[in-house]
Amino acid sequence: SQTIHQWPATLVQPVGSPLSLECTVEGTSNPNLYWYRQAAGRGLQLLFYSVGIGQISSEVPQNLSASRPQDRQFILSSKKLLLSDSGFYLCAWSPQGGSPLHFGNGTRLTVT
Amino acid sequence: SQQGEEDPQALSIQEGENATMNCSYKTSINNLQWYRQNSGRGLVHLILIRSNEREKHSGRLRVTLDTSKKSSSLLITASRAADTASYFCATNTGTASKLTFGTGTRLQVTL
Repeated sequence: SQTIHQWPATLVQPVGSPLSLECTVEGTSNPNLYWYRQAAGRGLQLLFYSVGIGQISSEVPQNLSASRPQDRQFILSSKKLLLSDSGFYLCAWSPQGGSPLHFGNGTRLTVT
Repeated sequence: SQQGEEDPQALSIQEGENATMNCSYKTSINNLQWYRQNSGRGLVHLILIRSNEREKHSGRLRVTLDTSKKSSSLLITASRAADTASYFCATNTGTASKLTFGTGTRLQVTL
């Protein structure tokens, strides 16, 4: 069966520090991969999605970047965090576009 | 930007009652999906309805879709305390790989 791993679960980082969140999927190949951000009590904002290795689509111009160095690995990064980067970050995968998404358990990021 | 808007934003009912949540969207869709999120956790997919379908059932869940009104509803029958969660609709549109989420309805089911 397929599983998705996302870590860390919580993270507290100072303003101006770098960020690296990692997400890996097991039990499937060539998945679509997604990074969403959720502000407190709000809906989900799509940040990046990828339909293949090295293929990244950015939805919102911002302080973040994403990379997909391997088929089942998706990394969210920042060189210098801002206070506004605080939020709940969710990684998800789907077997193909339009299919249901399978989410990880999320990373709660607090930038201080 | 948000494609879907859920209504109401919050709903409080007693166990055994039915809960109805509505979702409105703006552009033509390929399909619409409903998800559930327990506090502080990832989302879990509940049900998918295609643009050429009008109604779908899964256990205690019933979803309707009215493409002429660009709206969908999620009905949870005979609710339980364990149904307490936030519920989101999400639309898959012309760019097939994207799924755009609404703002969610927070459901509280009390004993």
